[in-house]
Amino acid sequence: DIVMTQTPLSSPVTLGQPASISCRSSQSLVHSDGNTYLSWLQQRPGQPPRLLIYKISNRFSGVPDRFSGSGAGTDFTLKISRVEAEDVGVYYCTQATQFPYTFGQGTKLEIK
Amino acid sequence: EVQLVESGGGLVKPGGSLRLSCAASGFTFSSYSMNWVRQAPGKGLEWVSSISSSSSYIYYADSVKGRFTISRDNAKNSLYLQMNSLRAEDTAVYYCARVSYRAWGQGTMVTVSS
Repeated sequence: DIVMTQTPLSSPVTLGQPASISCRSSQSLVHSDGNTYLSWLQQRPGQPPRLLIYKISNRFSGVPDRFSGSGAGTDFTLKISRVEAEDVGVYYCTQATQFPYTFGQGTKLEIK
Repeated sequence: EVQLVESGGGLVKPGGSLRLSCAASGFTFSSYSMNWVRQAPGKGLEWVSSISSSSSYIYYADSVKGRFTISRDNAKNSLYLQMNSLRAEDTAVYYCARVSYRAWGQGTMVTVSS
């Protein structure tokens, strides 16, 4: 199974400041079709998860442009350029390159 | 508007069974693979099972293989998860999600306890 490791697990951030979450996979996420199926999800308190970023760097519909994704192979990053109060929650990276699909442990973003 | 609505959760004794349903609307259900994902209380997300659009391809997490069965009825725009031989560690909120996690339901709680 592909293990997804996120760092940090907790990130206290000041409003208006940037935030960054790293995700590393135990093996390459490049699919045989050439795509890399690495996504980022946001889960606000008491809510179901919501897709933010798919295939490394594509923002999903309605996602603010302060969210961006980057990376390749086994190393990926989610960045928030200026954190807002509504960004509080848990962020997960996930791979859909190979079954079983797997998730990172989650990174809790909180406001300082 | 894409909507996914889960139902069928509840309290069940260890060894018991439950059938979860997910009603889909707002998109052409028969064109998309679907997933079940669960989240134990206070824990992270765990992928449970996936089914392709025509049910030709089905996959399970090792933790549920042989006990859970995923299925779908494209005529009814519905996804199902038959859960047998339930264990305490199956206690979780169960979400249905469209392929690539582009849409999620609100989840249904399953509690396995004597």
